[in-house]
Amino acid sequence: IQMTQSPSSVSASVGDKVTITCRASQDITSSLAWFQQKPGKAPKSLIFAASSLETGVPSRFSGSGSGTDFTLTISSLQPEDFATFFCQQYDSFPFTFGPGTRVDMK
Amino acid sequence: EVQLVESGGGLVQPRTSLRLSCATYGFNFDDYAMTWVRQAPGKGLEWVSSISGNGGNSGSTHYADSVKGRFTISRDDVKKKLFLQMNRLRAEDTAVYFCAKSPGYSSTYFDSWGQGTLVTVSS
Repeated sequence: IQMTQSPSSVSASVGDKVTITCRASQDITSSLAWFQQKPGKAPKSLIFAASSLETGVPSRFSGSGSGTDFTLTISSLQPEDFATFFCQQYDSFPFTFGPGTRVDMK
Repeated sequence: EVQLVESGGGLVQPRTSLRLSCATYGFNFDDYAMTWVRQAPGKGLEWVSSISGNGGNSGSTHYADSVKGRFTISRDDVKKKLFLQMNRLRAEDTAVYFCAKSPGYSSTYFDSWGQGTLVTVSS
């Protein structure tokens, strides 16, 4: 299953709403997770099952979608949110990740 | 608190072997599926291999095509460790290797990650 993400990068300011799209090449129902990664650090789980927020993740993060089209939304970007975001499908092996979306400061 | 600590990375020559370890703390290791994910320098994340936990198909393994037949994932539930035996290494295996935990005995997404260990394959 191929995963694509758009945009590949986005420049935004603190307080902006940011939306990242992830598309699967076939139906993965809701078997999708989102991760945040900062340079030199391990990825951090944000969302699983397409829309369930991981414990401790701020509520400004939200996920939606099912089937092939998914969205990660940051409602009001905070300074600590500048990072790269990856989606991952776990519907079937081999698990696959999207190529990533970098969110940087405008 | 869940902690995953990888070790065993380093600089090796092509066609040689290396064994990575992941020591785990803070959870009942044998109940959870575990996975290796890698990230080549400046690149995205690539799933490498997963092994299931107790329950269901206990200890069942899966591999990416790029490593099948060369890498072997295993676990020691007594020592609470995950391993990745990597044979016939290639330059394209150069990456940071992360171990990651799934929230249940079946491999799904990853709710905890280690800090990674760097493997460099070069002559």
